[in-house]
Amino acid sequence: EAGVTQFPSHSVIEKGQTVTLRCDPISGHDNLYWYRRVMGKEIKFLLHFVKESKQDESGMPNNRFLAERTGGTYSTLKVQPAELEDSGVYFCASSQMGSYEQYFGPGTRLTVT
Amino acid sequence: QKEVEQNSGPLSVPEGAIASLNCTYSDRGSQSFFWYRQYSGKSPELIMFIYSNGDKEDGRFTAQLNKASQYVSLLIRDSQPSDSATYLCAVEGVEYGNKLVFGAGTILRVKS
Repeated sequence: EAGVTQFPSHSVIEKGQTVTLRCDPISGHDNLYWYRRVMGKEIKFLLHFVKESKQDESGMPNNRFLAERTGGTYSTLKVQPAELEDSGVYFCASSQMGSYEQYFGPGTRLTVT
Repeated sequence: QKEVEQNSGPLSVPEGAIASLNCTYSDRGSQSFFWYRQYSGKSPELIMFIYSNGDKEDGRFTAQLNKASQYVSLLIRDSQPSDSATYLCAVEGVEYGNKLVFGAGTILRVKS
């Protein structure tokens, strides 16, 4: 069974540009989460989808971040416009409905210059 | 006070020894506890989870939970150099919804 996949693995953009990250959860996992780890800090929650609905977006830093999960399958996280402090590793995780066991993807390392 | 605290390490143990990793959490209502292993540049890998007080064993790994003391630990028996990684403690509870709250991680180095 394929794990959580994320694309791209790395992205380097300039301040002010737009970047879109993609996550494909494990097949059959209704729960999809986005997390972020900035340099030297803990992994922090960004938001949680249940199928196509946003269950909790309390961790989204500001309105420059937009997440979608159309059709309840893959999800995208767009940062527009990117700022220097957005640099970090963005992880996606998924879990089955009713389970708290979350499985993480390899992450996208975002560098904003 | 951080919600989930771990000693950053590094914790160095000789090959074959028992490595003991510790984690404390602040929310007394926390219900689910997870240990992830993360190799440098890789994704966090779920290795253990525990929901009830006491011990849970899986191969060389034992998770221990003491809700009264708000303490969870991970023991790795017969440590191997391949166990060298960062170990992340994560907590889920009513206050947090379904999201995980992570500690900063403990670096483990197993010396051969």
